[in-house]
Amino acid sequence: EIVLTQSPGTLSLSPGERATLSCRASQSVSSSDLAWYQQKPGQAPRLLIYGASSRATGIPDRFSGSGSGTDFTLTISRLEPEDFAVYYCQQYGSSPRTFGQGTKVEIK
Amino acid sequence: EVQLLESGGGLVQPGGSLRLSCEASGFTFSSYAMSWVRQAPGKGLEWVSTISGAGGSTYYADSVKGRFTISRDNSKNTLSLQMNSLRAEDTAVYYCAKDRSSSWSAFDVWGQGTMVTVSS
Repeated sequence: EIVLTQSPGTLSLSPGERATLSCRASQSVSSSDLAWYQQKPGQAPRLLIYGASSRATGIPDRFSGSGSGTDFTLTISRLEPEDFAVYYCQQYGSSPRTFGQGTKVEIK
Repeated sequence: EVQLLESGGGLVQPGGSLRLSCEASGFTFSSYAMSWVRQAPGKGLEWVSTISGAGGSTYYADSVKGRFTISRDNSKNTLSLQMNSLRAEDTAVYYCAKDRSSSWSAFDVWGQGTMVTVSS
């Protein structure tokens, strides 16, 4: 099973600042089969990024993903008020599909 | 509009059974793999099970293997999860999710979730 470790656990930033979230895998993720999701309280997760760097439909270009192998990054170039939420990475290249434990982006 | 609507959650005693359903609309249901993902209160996301578009292949997390059964009725655009021998640790919000493709991929559409509470 591929274990995904996200860091930091909590990121305290102000609107307009840049957010950099990390996701490290315990073994190489095949074909960059890595996704990022955003979840707000009381809501279902929303797909942001798939294939490590492809934005999902309707996702603003301030969200970008990068990385390969075991190290992946989600970057939010300039935080908007609606971006404060919990973010999860997920690998879907091998079974079982696993999620990271999440990074909370909170308002400073 | 692409939508997934779960139902069937509730309170059940340990050892009991429950059947969740997910009604899909707005896309060609049989063309996509479908999955269940759960989230225990205050915790992260856990993949539970996946079924292929035609229904011929199923996959389970070790934590539910032998107790849960995923199925689909492509004529009714419905996904189901039969949960038996329920345990306290199965308490969670259960989400129905659509794979982006006919095989393993990211989940691009999610339902609103249905709460399952296992308690005496």
